Amino acid sequence: QLVESGGGLVQSGGSLRLSCAASGFTFSNYWMSWVRQAPGKGLEWVATMKQDGSDKYYVDSVKGRFTISRDNAKNSLYLQMNSLRAEDTAVYYCTRDCTNGLCLGYWGQGAPVTVSS
Amino acid sequence: DVVMTQSPPSLPVTLGQPASISCRSSQSLVHSDGNTYLTWFQQRPGQSPRRLIHKLSNRDSGVPDRFSGSGSGTDFTLKISRVEAEDVGLYYCMQHTHWPPVAFGQGTKVEI
Repeated sequence: QLVESGGGLVQSGGSLRLSCAASGFTFSNYWMSWVRQAPGKGLEWVATMKQDGSDKYYVDSVKGRFTISRDNAKNSLYLQMNSLRAEDTAVYYCTRDCTNGLCLGYWGQGAPVTVSS
Repeated sequence: DVVMTQSPPSLPVTLGQPASISCRSSQSLVHSDGNTYLTWFQQRPGQSPRRLIHKLSNRDSGVPDRFSGSGSGTDFTLKISRVEAEDVGLYYCMQHTHWPPVAFGQGTKVEI
């Protein structure tokens, strides 16, 4: 199970930190990702990280503003979002990948983020 | 970057009849390891996406066998052999052969 939290309303230029609590599987064995969906729009991959945090990948539009991280002891994934823009408004999904790389196998229920301008 | 193009954007279907969705990539999705990392997702109204098919044609656990994925190179198809009411929703293809970035198709809305 993947349960996101931390979403909400924030002003343009502000910051927000999303959390994803994982349960029911050995969290430290899996790559993890964030995917977002703007209102009425399609899916957009945001960021992915390896089990031990040694490799992190971002979509160009969030590089330098968003940081993906994890705490394997707490079975938790995070997305620190800084310098937020109106175009970051979306539902953010935490996803469990595979043990050997990205695969978006399981999805959480999503955390809505609204950036007001 | 790879671009994924889905068609049609909207697909009216009839219960009990077959349906298919097309997805094309701007370059071959055959990886150097021999796999084709083409994935299909279903998103029912008001729900999170759910993975249906991975690595071109592998159905995920719990996915009805009326769903099948096929194709090669740059052309891919998701087929529903007999549409049921619960199949209504959005369907997305995605590639992760050449990533980052991951690329999704624009989505196909399946409606009765």
